Amino acid sequence: AQTVTQSQPEMSVQEAETVTLSCTYDTSESDYYLFWYKQPPSRQMILVIRQEAYKQQNATENRFSVNFQKAAKSFSLKISDSQLGDAAMYFCSNFGNEKLTFGTGTRLTIIP
Amino acid sequence: GAVVSQHPSWVICKSGTSVKIECRSLDFQATTMFWYRQFPKQSLMLMATSNEGSKATYEQGVEKDKFLINHASLTLSTLTVTSAHPEDSSFYICSARDRGENNEQFFGPGTRLTVL
Repeated sequence: AQTVTQSQPEMSVQEAETVTLSCTYDTSESDYYLFWYKQPPSRQMILVIRQEAYKQQNATENRFSVNFQKAAKSFSLKISDSQLGDAAMYFCSNFGNEKLTFGTGTRLTIIP
Repeated sequence: GAVVSQHPSWVICKSGTSVKIECRSLDFQATTMFWYRQFPKQSLMLMATSNEGSKATYEQGVEKDKFLINHASLTLSTLTVTSAHPEDSSFYICSARDRGENNEQFFGPGTRLTVL
């Protein structure tokens, strides 16, 4: 079975500052993928970043980067230079055994 | 990225009626599609996985006779909520997996169902 845990229901950050969202997971799969999705008020799920478990190098996408600690089963998301448009629900997810399992989400508020 | 559409975006129906929601992958072939349900301020709950041409696999606790899923082609899956009741009111989201994109799932915009 797969589980994904996000321990921060809400986070806030000043515009232009950096924020880190936490995520831990558990899986019995040896080959899996990890994702961070963003869900703005429109409720459209948007992929933020993807990490293949077999890759040691942390994924980065412009202002978004992850800290992937495989042994600790930790997958945190760092957002640099936060912008107003980053305000959304962020879901950490694990794809394994042909399924995508989501955490409970973190609501990120950007303070102007 | 690839585009997934859902129709309708919102629907209101009377209790006891059936509602069909369509999910289409517009620019890729989706051998696997997923249906999720999302309650307000909660995460996405996987309801079922459908593979083209075969029966859907339902998650534990999801009534397969109530939530009928059909995946007749590589670009279309439908979810029919049969004999809908107010407790079926929710936000339903489909997603499609493109095997050529590292197992990335692309999500539809969702359908808000309200049962009166």
